[in-house]
Amino acid sequence: ETGVTQSPTHLIKTRGQQVTLRCSSQSGHNTVSWYQQALGQGPQFIFQYYREEENGRGNFPPRFSGLQFPNYSSELNVNALELDDSALYLCASSQGQGIDYGYTFGSGTRLTVV
Amino acid sequence: AQSVAQPEDQVNVAEGNPLTVKCTYSVSGNPYLFWYVQYPNRGLQFLLKYITGDNLVKGSYGFEAEFNKSQTSFHLKKPSALVSDSALYFCAVRDYHSGYSTLTFGKGTMLLVSP
Repeated sequence: ETGVTQSPTHLIKTRGQQVTLRCSSQSGHNTVSWYQQALGQGPQFIFQYYREEENGRGNFPPRFSGLQFPNYSSELNVNALELDDSALYLCASSQGQGIDYGYTFGSGTRLTVV
Repeated sequence: AQSVAQPEDQVNVAEGNPLTVKCTYSVSGNPYLFWYVQYPNRGLQFLLKYITGDNLVKGSYGFEAEFNKSQTSFHLKKPSALVSDSALYFCAVRDYHSGYSTLTFGKGTMLLVSP
C-alpha cells in the first residue's frame, strides 16, 4: 500500500508567477485535502476535492485553485504568487469526505516566493 | 468555529523524564481531538485521537493523552521521553462543515529532549 506522494519537494518562484503542486493519493483513497503551513504556524485548510469536484474551501482567495483527476490524484495551483504564499503545502488523502475517515498526509512541498 | 490553543511554543525535558505538551480547546458540541507530530522536512504523522469513551487515550510510540472536559484540555503525555521524540507537535480539532470535515490546528509546540 503506497502512501501520499507530493512533488516537487522544494520549489522557488518569483512574486507574480504561477505554480502547480502535485499530489498522488494513497491507494483506495478518493478524497484529497490541501493545507498550507506557514512558518511557525499550524496547517490551515485550503480546499478539498471529492470525485473530481471541489466540495469544501477554507479562507483562501480564488487565485488558489485545484483539480482532481479520475485516478484521484490532485493538483494545487496558485496564480499571481505573493511573498506570503511561502509555506509548506501539505496534501492529505482520505477514503471519504474528510477527517472522519482518517487522513494520510504527504511530506509536503516547500514553496519559497522571492 | 472550533479552535485549539497550545500555550507553549517550546517544551524542554531531559531523556527519561515524563513529558507533557499542553492543549486546550474551544468547541461547540462534542469535541473530536487529535495529536499529530511533525519531524523536520516531513509531513504530519498521526499519534492519537479522542472521539468518545475513555478519557485516557493511548496512541503511537508510547504517547497518550488525557481528555478533561471540565478544564477543556487534551494534554499529550509520555512517561519517559526519548531524544528521538524531539519534534514539532500539533493539537487539532475536527471542524464539521456541510457534508465534510476538516482539521483546525494549533500553532504547534516544539519538544526538545536532551540526552
